[in-house]
Amino acid sequence: DQQVKQNSPSLSVQEGRISILNCDYTNSMFDYFLWYKKYPAEGPTFLISISSIKDKNEDGRFTVFLNKSAKHLSLHIVPSQPGDSAVYFCAADRGANNLFFGTGTRLTVIP
Amino acid sequence: NAGVMQNPRHLVRRRGQEARLRCSPMKGHSHVYWYRQLPEEGLKFMVYLQKENIIDESGMPKERFSAEFPKEGPSILRIQQVVRGDSAAYFCASSRDRGIAYTFGSGTRLTVV
Repeated sequence: DQQVKQNSPSLSVQEGRISILNCDYTNSMFDYFLWYKKYPAEGPTFLISISSIKDKNEDGRFTVFLNKSAKHLSLHIVPSQPGDSAVYFCAADRGANNLFFGTGTRLTVIP
Repeated sequence: NAGVMQNPRHLVRRRGQEARLRCSPMKGHSHVYWYRQLPEEGLKFMVYLQKENIIDESGMPKERFSAEFPKEGPSILRIQQVVRGDSAAYFCASSRDRGIAYTFGSGTRLTVV
């Protein structure tokens, strides 16, 4: 039962352009959402988060948008840089002891 | 200020053997979480522990898997009688307080041959 879904396994973007990574969820009890970035052979590192009481959170080149009615969130990276190439995981929390992760989207930024 | 340390980084076991995965949380962190990532899948929660206590093991398979976090020493995830389907990356995370402000370790990649 995949409660958090990332339907695009991969995305390629030219350096300097915008990267948009999408995430959908099914459980309306989720009230906090996070994006993690993962390089090969490393653990996930926290990137940015958003509470369900907001619809946008921005941190430098990274912005997360939340559409609660659509149960959809997205991560925008602009401008994209080659160092952003990694696997990005969307995760959701419902106030329990654990996070629910999506399956990840592999972003490749082409120089 | 070392992060979450997991060892070994890679572990190869034959079917039927035991696997022991270790996790040392960040200094000052008393909450430990174990996640598993199967090939082509996202991370799946396994267990949440505090010192000497298992708080939530709702994600642990019912058989062959166990976890502990003793008063002294690292947290251990133990898999008995490993099978091919146990091959995965196992990630540990820690936090200072209960919640989701985790820091993840680099993981242990278990391969069962």
